Amino acid sequence: AQSVTQLGSHVSVSEGALVLLRCNYSSSVPPYLFWYVQYPNQGLQLLLKYTTGATLVKGINGFEAEFKKSETSFHLTKPSAHMSDAAEYFCAVSPFSGGYNKLIFGAGTRLAVHP
Amino acid sequence: DVKVTQSSRYLVKRTGEKVFLECVQDMDHENMFWYRQDPGLGLRLIYFSYDVKMKEKGDIPEGYSVSREKKERFSLILESASTNQTSMYLCVVSGTEAFFGQGTRLTVV
Repeated sequence: AQSVTQLGSHVSVSEGALVLLRCNYSSSVPPYLFWYVQYPNQGLQLLLKYTTGATLVKGINGFEAEFKKSETSFHLTKPSAHMSDAAEYFCAVSPFSGGYNKLIFGAGTRLAVHP
Repeated sequence: DVKVTQSSRYLVKRTGEKVFLECVQDMDHENMFWYRQDPGLGLRLIYFSYDVKMKEKGDIPEGYSVSREKKERFSLILESASTNQTSMYLCVVSGTEAFFGQGTRLTVV
């Protein structure tokens, strides 16, 4: 069965520091990969996605993620954290490469940014 | 973008009640999903449907059923609500990308 593991349920960084949120997946074939963000009392918003092509994917708000097939990872990074980045982040995979299908989510990582 | 509308934003129900959560999309997408979101557990798939009258169990179907009589509408049914079904329920419509409903926060007392 497909699964997604997000390492660290809570991550805390200083404003201006590097943000690194880790995501590993299990899949027999390369899936589609996603990162979603959820701000307090709001719905999920797509940050970025990998389907095919370039393995380094750029998203909104300065975030990017790199698909590493050999490591089955899709870690999310941002060079310099901002207070407004405080939110919960979800990594997700869609196991069928022929088209979008059901999404399998990780448990989420809550990012705190302190001054 | 696809508009995904869930019938209620907040619901409070009593233990043992039958509960209906409705989801309607304004496009013609085949794939519709029901998830529940709980702190520390992320989003877990309850049921999904690829077409009218077609349904498949997700990872946590126990205590739930679904109905899809029309393509645009996908209903989640709690046959006999229990306190452990208190959660945020999200409807998702998936075409070339996923579109989320605003969520229904259900409290079972």
